[in-house]
Amino acid sequence: GENVEQHPSTLSVQEGDSAVIKCTYSDSASNYFPWYKQELGKRPQLIIDIRSNVGEKKDQRIAVTLNKTAKHFSLHITETQPEDSAVYFCAAKGTYKYIFGTGTRLKVLA
Amino acid sequence: GAVVSQHPSRVICKSGTSVKIECRSLDFQATTMFWYRQFPKQSLMLMATSNEGSKATYEQGVEKDKFLINHASLTLSTLTVTSAHPEDSSFYICSARDRLAGLIETQYFGPGTRLLVL
Repeated sequence: GENVEQHPSTLSVQEGDSAVIKCTYSDSASNYFPWYKQELGKRPQLIIDIRSNVGEKKDQRIAVTLNKTAKHFSLHITETQPEDSAVYFCAAKGTYKYIFGTGTRLKVLA
Repeated sequence: GAVVSQHPSRVICKSGTSVKIECRSLDFQATTMFWYRQFPKQSLMLMATSNEGSKATYEQGVEKDKFLINHASLTLSTLTVTSAHPEDSSFYICSARDRLAGLIETQYFGPGTRLLVL
């Protein structure tokens, strides 16, 4: 069935360094790939998204890249700050629903 | 814009009782809402897709008679956990997509409801 793998499950970086989270999806019909940030006990918040007809998208310190051939997409956070610490989920939208990755717990060390 | 609310935010109930959770889109209409379940330190698992005016579509392994979904209007979907048991304790989150969003696929999440069944 449809599946989204996400790596790493945990990631610790020093403040100011970059963080990269990678996802792989199985459904070749997937055409929309959002990334969500979730703080403890709170709702997931959309931070960036990309459609299948685009290879890269950037919004200030956050960027997402998509390789449709390899079915890979990645989140890049540059100049990380302590407030970037949270759990990040990727998702891939197929015909009508999202399939979420397993999440990455990012810890930015001050 | 695109605000989704959930009520209650937290509920504690005795085993065997039923609990109703409401999900509302406050400033847009949603023909489709989604119900997710999230266990601690785990991902969001889609339980069902709620369709306004028709029956919900349940994911494999989700008991439709236990998790009753009603989507009576374009701004409200409810999830009722019937005869709740301790294993139903979880964080339940809804999301909604703007009916007028066209090609925009974004789902907006509610704040979640933490259910604890004693």
